[in-house]
Amino acid sequence: DTAVSQTPKYLVTQMGNDKSIKCEQNLGHDTMYWYKQDSKKFLKIMFSYNNKELIINETVPNRFSPKSPDKAHLNLHINSLELGDSAVYFCASSQEAYEQYFGPGTRLTVT
Amino acid sequence: DAKTTQPTSMDCAEGRAANLPCNHSTISGNEYVYWYRQIHSQGPQYIIHGLKNNETNEMASLIITEDRKSSTLILPHATLRDTAVYYCIVSGPPGSARQLTFGSGTQLTVLP
Repeated sequence: DTAVSQTPKYLVTQMGNDKSIKCEQNLGHDTMYWYKQDSKKFLKIMFSYNNKELIINETVPNRFSPKSPDKAHLNLHINSLELGDSAVYFCASSQEAYEQYFGPGTRLTVT
Repeated sequence: DAKTTQPTSMDCAEGRAANLPCNHSTISGNEYVYWYRQIHSQGPQYIIHGLKNNETNEMASLIITEDRKSSTLILPHATLRDTAVYYCIVSGPPGSARQLTFGSGTQLTVLP
C-alpha cells in the first residue's frame, strides 16, 4: 500500500506550458506539503496546506498554485513553465508536522 | 528555526556504527532536533527526534549534549542500504512545528 503517491513520476514539457502534478495520501493525515528539490539537491518547502490554512513560502512564484479537491489530495498546478522550474517535486503529508511522509517525487524537465 | 551545521560527507564501514554529528548552537529552549534521511532518488524519510534526553528507536539513536548545542545520530550497525543524505533539522515542538527547513545534510556512504 502506497502511503503517499504522486503522478506522473516523470514530466517533460516545453517552456510556457501549463502542467499539473497530482498527489494523494491514504494515511488520513490533515496536512499536506509540496517541496522542490533543485539540481544542487537543496530541498525547499513550497506550500503546506490543511483544511484550515495554506502557508506559502514567500519565494514561490505565483505561477505555482496548490489545489486540494479533498483532504487526501493536494495537486500542484504550474503555469507558464520556465527552464528554472526543472527540479524534482515531492509531495508529503503529516498528522504532526515533524513526522512527514514523502512521496516518490516527480522529476520535471522543462525544455 | 535555529540553523544547523553538518559535515558534507562521511564514510562508514558496513557493520560498524555510523555517528553523524550536527551543530545547532543557536537552538532555543523549546526547539527540538529532528533527523531525516534521503536515499538516492527517493523522498526523505523521518528517523527520530528529541529535545534533551537521549532517544532510541528501531532505526537509530539520538544523543543530544547537555547544553543542547550539538547532537549525534547513531546508526548502530550500518548497512549498505543506509547510504543516504542525512538531514539534521531544528524546529518547534512536535505539536506545533509548522514546517521543516532542510539544510544540505551529510552524505553518508556505507562501504562494504
